[in-house]
Amino acid sequence: IAGITQAPTSQILAAGRRMTLRCTQDMRHNAMYWYRQDLGLGLRLIHYSNTAGTTGKGEVPDGYSVSRANTDDFPLTLASAVPSQTSVYFCASSDTHSTGELFFGEGSRLTVL
Amino acid sequence: AQSVTQLDSQVPVFEEAPVELRCNYSSSVSVYLFWYVQYPNQGLQLLLKYLSGSTLVKGINGFEAEFNKSQTSFHLRKPSVHIRDTAEYFCAVKRAGYALNFGKGTSLLVTP
Repeated sequence: IAGITQAPTSQILAAGRRMTLRCTQDMRHNAMYWYRQDLGLGLRLIHYSNTAGTTGKGEVPDGYSVSRANTDDFPLTLASAVPSQTSVYFCASSDTHSTGELFFGEGSRLTVL
Repeated sequence: AQSVTQLDSQVPVFEEAPVELRCNYSSSVSVYLFWYVQYPNQGLQLLLKYLSGSTLVKGINGFEAEFNKSQTSFHLRKPSVHIRDTAEYFCAVKRAGYALNFGKGTSLLVTP
């Protein structure tokens, strides 16, 4: 059972470069989310999608964009990376028609220099 | 909007001792409550959840939590911790139709 797959697991990136973090789920969940995790700040929601074809902004959306062309994939793009985007990024999914419990990927560690 | 406060950023405890990790939330409507655990270099996994019904919820690895509506609390407890319980613990609250909102986490450090 794969669940949520994120790629890459780790990346070092020069400031100003474009970067896409990939996320794929095989649970047919309708909702997907991107969080960033920073020491002392917990997890903060970047963007979410309640169903394929729709997206919404979370708590910290600036500098990030997402798309949801189908149920399984939810890529996160940094158009022009900045050092403050150095973080660990987690993708998650849920079936909002049930309890809304989130299932998480293993994370993508991004360092912007 | 709902918010979550985890009252302790770090909790050191000796092996086999009891532990309580505190969580308070604020919301004007009914919510679902969750505890997640994150082991080093891993993603988050669900420990337990409160949706409705009995206020005492039992989860995996011997953890339990009690929902207290009057205190707006959802504290996590374990009567006897193991070294392997060393991890980051996150309390989270969800309102119907909204995304999950996390606390800032509590780092549990279990030592021999």
